[in-house]
Amino acid sequence: GQNIDQPTEMTATEGAIVQINCTYQTSGFNGLFWYQQHAGEAPTFLSYNVLDGLEEKGRFSSFLSRSKGYSYLLLKELQMKDSASYLCAEADSNYQLIWGAGTKLIIKP
Amino acid sequence: DSGVTQTPKHLITATGQRVTLRCSPRSGDLSVYWYQQSLDQGLQFLIQYYNGEERAKGNILERFSAQQFPDLHSELNLSSLELGDSALYFCASSVGGGGYQETQYFGPGTRLLVL
Repeated sequence: GQNIDQPTEMTATEGAIVQINCTYQTSGFNGLFWYQQHAGEAPTFLSYNVLDGLEEKGRFSSFLSRSKGYSYLLLKELQMKDSASYLCAEADSNYQLIWGAGTKLIIKP
Repeated sequence: DSGVTQTPKHLITATGQRVTLRCSPRSGDLSVYWYQQSLDQGLQFLIQYYNGEERAKGNILERFSAQQFPDLHSELNLSSLELGDSALYFCASSVGGGGYQETQYFGPGTRLLVL
């Protein structure tokens, strides 16, 4: 089966930069999604990458390397409201999403 | 607000009972997905319907069933409930059957507590 690996938990300081990594199996790859989920709330779409490189959207950027089966989400100028779980999901050969377990990001003042 | 609606927001019931969760997709979306998320766990994909037909199946128990109606709303039926079924149940929708760059938009979820 396909596995998505991302760290369980990360801690960062308000105003700093944090990088959340995600690795996936490369066979049948059709894109990589990042979602943000605040506790008890719905996941919300952040980004989608299907080509190699960096996509920037304000304070958030997402990077993809298809040859390495690797993506990261970069959050800059961290704010307390960025405390949430960040979910990585791969679209497989049938465009079904394979979800990672999520990375819980804790922001400290 | 994603445009996906789910009812009820909260549900408390007893073991052995049966409940129905309802989802209305975003206007124009043809696919509905159901997910289960237990406390501090990841999203578990249950099932996808596209334009009224089952499109994909995930880790859905035999005690659970779903359907999508002609007006595209969907219902998830959970029967013979067990304590372990307590979770957040999310519905998501997307415009097509799941394809290139197709984003899923999530509803606010139904929090189910089985006592």
